[in-house]
Amino acid sequence: DTEVTQTPKHLVMGMTNKKSLKCEQHMGHRAMYWYKQKAKKPPELMFVYSYEKLSINESVPSRFSPECPNSSLLNLHLHALQPEDSALYLCASSPSVRTFDTGELFFGEGSRLTVL
Amino acid sequence: GQQVMQIPQYQHVQEGEDFTTYCNSSTTLSNIQWYKQRPGGHPVFLIQLVKSGEVKKQKRLTFQFGEAKKNSSLHITATQTTDVGTYFCAGRDNAGNMLTFGGGTRLMVKP
Repeated sequence: DTEVTQTPKHLVMGMTNKKSLKCEQHMGHRAMYWYKQKAKKPPELMFVYSYEKLSINESVPSRFSPECPNSSLLNLHLHALQPEDSALYLCASSPSVRTFDTGELFFGEGSRLTVL
Repeated sequence: GQQVMQIPQYQHVQEGEDFTTYCNSSTTLSNIQWYKQRPGGHPVFLIQLVKSGEVKKQKRLTFQFGEAKKNSSLHITATQTTDVGTYFCAGRDNAGNMLTFGGGTRLMVKP
């Protein structure tokens, strides 16, 4: 069982839809991440939140909009997506983003997104 | 930017055979982590190596970090069907910034 919970597990949306992915952790971690993973590829970093502030945006298109309402929650708002955005979206958390910390990433089970 | 290469991409083994995956970074790393992702699952942390030349063991799994802190390996002795999955290394650069994942090695085990 993972301690990072993601909903929904599966999502199908059209290119004109607006939807959101949600992530929750109660481990007291202060860093939370969104990754995108295509089939047979490694996770690709999208966003990093540190202490509820966006610290890294890996040049992600604006149709993906992250939000961190509090230290336990992380959302990814989706709007006007393209079929090539279909992928597994993984949320992760870690105690900190600082160097020399354990830095272990705890991944959620992911939200599998299909864009029609 | 930092690149982390992993070989092989795929490996088929007979149950009971050994397996090794190798990870090489274009730059010196502060540490390296290993993750396992089962088919249809999510990455799960296995271990972190920090020191030059470090070797760590977890049951049948042996992890090594190179002396120059630019390469690492994961060796599984006597594979079992439960070892099936994709193994990713992930290196953190010397500034301690974000992890860069290798491409992964997909292990398939024939019973």
